[in-house]
Amino acid sequence: GQQVMQIPQYQHVQEGEDFTTYCNSSTTLSNIQWYKQRPGGHPVFLIQLVKSGEVKKQKRLTFQFGEAKKNSSLHITATQTTDVGTYFCAGPGGSSNTGKLIFGQGTTLQVKP
Amino acid sequence: DAGVTQSPTHLIKTRGQQVTLRCSPKSGHDTVSWYQQALGQGPQFIFQYYEEEERQRGNFPDRFSGHQFPNYSSELNVNALLLGDSALYLCASSFTGTGRRNEQFFGPGTRLTVL
Repeated sequence: GQQVMQIPQYQHVQEGEDFTTYCNSSTTLSNIQWYKQRPGGHPVFLIQLVKSGEVKKQKRLTFQFGEAKKNSSLHITATQTTDVGTYFCAGPGGSSNTGKLIFGQGTTLQVKP
Repeated sequence: DAGVTQSPTHLIKTRGQQVTLRCSPKSGHDTVSWYQQALGQGPQFIFQYYEEEERQRGNFPDRFSGHQFPNYSSELNVNALLLGDSALYLCASSFTGTGRRNEQFFGPGTRLTVL
C-alpha cells in the first residue's frame, strides 16, 4: 500500500544550528502537507505544497516539493527552542479529493539551548 | 471561533469494554476524520464522515465504528477493546466545499488507555 517515510526519526541540534527533515512517498502525490506536533499536543497544520518543484517559506522554515512530486523537505534555519516538536509530512491517500491523509512517522526535533 | 473540540481528554478502560469518543468540528466545517496515533508514530487514518455517512475508511477492523450528526459533530465507537487500542485518538475537521479538502484542523485528542 501507499507509504510515506520520513528521515531522520530524531534530530538533536544546538540552538542556532540548522535542521532538515526529508519525506518520501511511494507514490506520486497531488499535494503534500506538513504538520508540527509539540510534546503532549496535537498536530498543527503548517503548509500545503501543490506544484512540482514548489518552494515556500515561512520565516525561518523553508518547504520544498520535489519535481517528481514524490518527495519533500522542511528546512529550519537557526533553530530556536520554540522549534522543538515532531514534524510530520502527510500526503493524500488515493485521489486528491478523498480527504484521507497518509502521515509519515515524523521527525522529532530537540534543541539544546 | 472555537476550534475542534474533543471529549473526554483522557479515558481508562479495561479489555473487552466499549468506548465512545466525541468530536465537535471547527465552526464552518462539515467533514470529520478520525485518526489513531500510537506513541512515537504518525496518525493513522481510521475513517472520515461527511453528510452523516462514512465516506472513506482506513485499515481498521469493524470494532471501530462511527457516526456523524446533523450538526456535523461526530462519535467514534470502539468495541471489545484490546490492549493495542491504547493510543491518542485525534479528530480532524475540514470543509469539503473549498477544494482544499485535505487541509485538516486537529482537535486536542483523547488519550485512551486500555488495561
